[in-house]
Amino acid sequence: QQQVKQSPQSLIVQKGGISIINCAYENTAFDYFPWYQQFPGKGPALLIAIRPDVSEKKEGRFTISFNKSAKQFSLHIMDSQPGDSATYFCAASDYNQGGKLIFGQGTELSVKP
Amino acid sequence: DAGVIQSPRHEVTEMGQEVTLRCKPISGHNSLFWYRQTMMRGLELLIYFNNNVPIDDSGMPEDRFSAKMPNASFSTLKIQPSEPRDSAVYFCASSPQEQARGYGYTFGSGTRLTVV
Repeated sequence: QQQVKQSPQSLIVQKGGISIINCAYENTAFDYFPWYQQFPGKGPALLIAIRPDVSEKKEGRFTISFNKSAKQFSLHIMDSQPGDSATYFCAASDYNQGGKLIFGQGTELSVKP
Repeated sequence: DAGVIQSPRHEVTEMGQEVTLRCKPISGHNSLFWYRQTMMRGLELLIYFNNNVPIDDSGMPEDRFSAKMPNASFSTLKIQPSEPRDSAVYFCASSPQEQARGYGYTFGSGTRLTVV
């Protein structure tokens, strides 16, 4: 019940295209859903996050869509660029469990020029 | 701020040896987390501290692993004795206590551990 399932495992997108990564969860107590971006040799860095009281959040080319009833959320990267090539992790946390983040397995995104 | 600082960046050791990984969190951050990253298991939370006190160590794989946080600016993760299956990248992260709802984690650059 603590798992966060992420798909796809890898994704190849052409420059200018839309990248879409999906995550699903079971624990309805989760109340915070961030996405992290990780470049090789670096630690994950917070990209964008959403709480379950909103259905969408947009920051620049990055958008989170959240479907509370389906217990799913997704990351959309518009106008994907080669510099977006990285591994993306979704995560979730439950305040009553100390706010510790549970991560998805990650998606390796490659944006081809 | 220099961010979360981990040392060493790389560690190669022989099976059976003791390994100590170090972390300096961001000043003012009250929560500290140790994660392990492998291809097979992804990012796993090993242990986390709030105000230097261990809160949840349920992710620590076995008694060979131990973690301490003697003060607000330093934490260690020790593996003794080390085994080849411990090979992974170990990350330390910190966050402000008032944002401990998973907000604002800042990760270090990690320690790549190889046990041969």
